[in-house]
Amino acid sequence: SQQGEEDPQALSIQEGENATMNCSYKTSINNLQWYRQNSGRGLVHLILIRSNEREKHSGRLRVTLDTSKKSSSLLITASRAADTASYFCATHHTGNQFYFGTGTSLTVIP
Amino acid sequence: EAQVTQNPRYLITVTGKKLTVTCSQNMNHEYMSWYRQDPGLGLRQIYYSMNVEVTDKGDVPEGYKVSRKEKRNFPLILESPSPNQTSLYFCASRPSAFEGGRGQYFGPGTRLTVT
Repeated sequence: SQQGEEDPQALSIQEGENATMNCSYKTSINNLQWYRQNSGRGLVHLILIRSNEREKHSGRLRVTLDTSKKSSSLLITASRAADTASYFCATHHTGNQFYFGTGTSLTVIP
Repeated sequence: EAQVTQNPRYLITVTGKKLTVTCSQNMNHEYMSWYRQDPGLGLRQIYYSMNVEVTDKGDVPEGYKVSRKEKRNFPLILESPSPNQTSLYFCASRPSAFEGGRGQYFGPGTRLTVT
């Protein structure tokens, strides 16, 4: 399977702290995307980074991509209770298949 | 409002009884896809479609069928459901070239239980 893996599986932090989660994948990609999912609901796209990009920002989100290590990280700064959710990375490969990781469950304690 | 809709949201059925889960998007997207989500396994792609009449298998296509007769609709068909198809199903769509740096739009999910 080309499925990615997120690390850690679960993360618990205090409100105001930064949260970092990592994603590793196995084969070359066209782009990598991060999604958020609140319990049992649909996924919401957060940010997309293309294979020729190394870093992207969107509000409190910062994503990095290291294609040599086949890894990406998502940083959420100044976390809020509303950021509590599961976060997934998804890789887009030639052939238009998508592979999702197993997710990081983030809990932000008020 | 840009959205992907799925119906039904919840479904309990019995082994072998054919069912269809509908998916519709109002964004004129070329690409549509179906995923199943199971605890500990994340999301796995079942089928995807690049455009009308063009469909391809994803990672876990066994036991499923799809069709794409219209651009907006992409139904998922289980001709003979089995208990191992009990799962949470998501439909998604996106523009063909990730215009605007945008990923997929997901529907709200269909929770299927096969007894």
